Amino acid sequence: DTEVTQTPKHLVMGMTNKKSLKCEQHMGHRAMYWYKQKAKKPPELMFVYSYEKLSINESVPSRFSPECPNSSLLNLHLHALQPEDSALYLCASSLGTAPRSDTQYFGPGTRLTVL
Amino acid sequence: GNSVTQMEGPVTLSEEAFLTINCTYTATGYPSLFWYVQYPGEGLQLLLKATKADDKGSNKGFEATYRKETTSFHLEKGSVQVSDSAVYFCALSGSSNYKLTFGKGTLLTVNP
Repeated sequence: DTEVTQTPKHLVMGMTNKKSLKCEQHMGHRAMYWYKQKAKKPPELMFVYSYEKLSINESVPSRFSPECPNSSLLNLHLHALQPEDSALYLCASSLGTAPRSDTQYFGPGTRLTVL
Repeated sequence: GNSVTQMEGPVTLSEEAFLTINCTYTATGYPSLFWYVQYPGEGLQLLLKATKADDKGSNKGFEATYRKETTSFHLEKGSVQVSDSAVYFCALSGSSNYKLTFGKGTLLTVNP
């Protein structure tokens, strides 16, 4: 089973709202990722968690706040977003981050619209 | 740094036609190579992968061979179906880190 689940599937929020995206995997993977994908573009890496610790932040604005409560769960907390943050947010996981254990499996994504 | 170049398309084919999507890469060391597929309105699905030179990845009739001498990982399928219509991304993972470097994606449309 190579399933990564994400909720919600769609989210519409105002610029003053606070919302959260959720990602879950039960494959025993120890690395989890958040990506942002704009239309007709490849995904752009935002954050990497390795063994439940934030290992990479790709200079993402502080209005995006990731959290990894346990090895199966990854959240992305959203606050005071801008309309240009509207995009598909993808979660991924991999067994590890080292070569040969780094195949990333993606979830279906959350389509976010910021009004 | 690492980079991936793939034909951007769009590519339009008739059902049962032969498909090739070219992908070349630049990387140090021995990267892992991947093809991901994204159907409309969905996330990325791993289509196939290869982790060392001369490896052939295959899945659902798609194939790609890791060619180190030409730094290529071209995607092929002998007979496409309408259901293969999607965006295809070539990607690599460097030999010293986790980070996926993607090509720009190729939109494939297969007509009946």
